[in-house]
Amino acid sequence: DGGITQSPKYLFRKEGQNVTLSCEQNLNHDAMYWYRQDPGQGLRLIYYSQIVNDFQKGDIAEGYSVSREKKESFPLTVTSAQKNPTAFYLCASSIDHYKNIQYFGAGTRLSVL
Amino acid sequence: AQSVTQLGSHVSVSEGALVLLRCNYSSSVPPYLFWYVQYPNQGLQLLLKYTSAATLVKGINGFEAEFKKSETSFHLTKPSAHMSDAAEYFCAVSGSARQLTFGSGTQLTVLP
Repeated sequence: DGGITQSPKYLFRKEGQNVTLSCEQNLNHDAMYWYRQDPGQGLRLIYYSQIVNDFQKGDIAEGYSVSREKKESFPLTVTSAQKNPTAFYLCASSIDHYKNIQYFGAGTRLSVL
Repeated sequence: AQSVTQLGSHVSVSEGALVLLRCNYSSSVPPYLFWYVQYPNQGLQLLLKYTSAATLVKGINGFEAEFKKSETSFHLTKPSAHMSDAAEYFCAVSGSARQLTFGSGTQLTVLP
């Protein structure tokens, strides 16, 4: 079955630690996206990538980093510079950035210890 | 610039009653519009999309939405609510930058 796989489902971060959230898709989509979801605030775009080896900052990129070395993978690193990382993180992909019909993974819930 | 406003952060309906979730948007270009549904601790599932074809769009699970350019609206409806419809619903717009901008969501409760 084609889809988007996010792992882990739950993640805990210690003070000063970087953590990496995984996102893999087998839909052969060119574009991939990372969103942060906080209660009552909808989804906010962190980073997006339209093609391999290229990515752009979204609305709330500070304290986050990404890479896009393979078409099917778009990992997100939450760095120690992100002072309020507790949130639900969602990865999405679309066949291309223009049509922008996005399909989502099941999410990773990140908490701070 | 583009934005989405969802009127009513919480909506309650009785089982079998009409569901109406409101969404108004702003966009500097003809938009693409979407409704997504989210169940607790899960990702978003695409319910339906408007991409400049028919203004009345039918989606999954009996939902539909009508694009009204004059009112800048894209309200979501379902004739008869089912208990399984209880979830959070998000309206989203894709405008000139082709990035999705989401509304803040409407939590739908279905009462027995």
